Amino acid sequence: KAGVTQTPRYLIKTRGQQVTLSCSPISGHRSVSWYQQTPGQGLQFLFEYFSETQRNKGNFPGRFSGRQFSNSRSEMNVSTLELGDSALYLCASSFFGTGNTEAFFGQGTRLTVV
Amino acid sequence: GESVGLHLPTLSVQEGDNSIINCAYSNSASDYFIWYKQESGKGPQFIIDIRSNMDKRQGQRVTVLLNKTVKHLSLQIAATQPGDSAVYFCAEKDNDYKLSFGAGTTVTVRA
Repeated sequence: KAGVTQTPRYLIKTRGQQVTLSCSPISGHRSVSWYQQTPGQGLQFLFEYFSETQRNKGNFPGRFSGRQFSNSRSEMNVSTLELGDSALYLCASSFFGTGNTEAFFGQGTRLTVV
Repeated sequence: GESVGLHLPTLSVQEGDNSIINCAYSNSASDYFIWYKQESGKGPQFIIDIRSNMDKRQGQRVTVLLNKTVKHLSLQIAATQPGDSAVYFCAEKDNDYKLSFGAGTTVTVRA
């Protein structure tokens, strides 16, 4: 079966802009989680969605937001980009949530803010 | 084989030897733990998981050991191969919807 698909793979944005990243989970999976990966901070949890509802949110500013659609696809948005937002953004899909069942990660979107 | 007693960011291992990667977790209430492998340019790939009612679980060439007394997790890779070169992360369950990841160990396999 198809894996987790994240688009785009690479993005370059300038400070102050906003960006939207997309994640299509594995068919049948209803939970999508988003993580930010940087060399200094490692993998940091952003938020998790299940059946279009946000169930958990990490310690990120309000500039980071997300949503999930009825087909379980999810998007995350970052507004007013800062240089420190440069990172690999990963999404993970699972049946019920990454804390309970095996989670599968996409290849990520590499965001560079200049 | 080679092992690390404490978490170290890098591990160099001879091809064919066994590798042991260690990880300390923080939440004594965690009941689910996972090891992930991340190759360059890719997302983390699930290797093996273990629940807190077990202290050992084996997969193909990999074994995870859980010591709840000292909150320690380890991943053993048997007969390490060049394709095992990657960054390995342990993760613990924070709640039903969230994992916390360790800092990662970069494993380099020497030919």
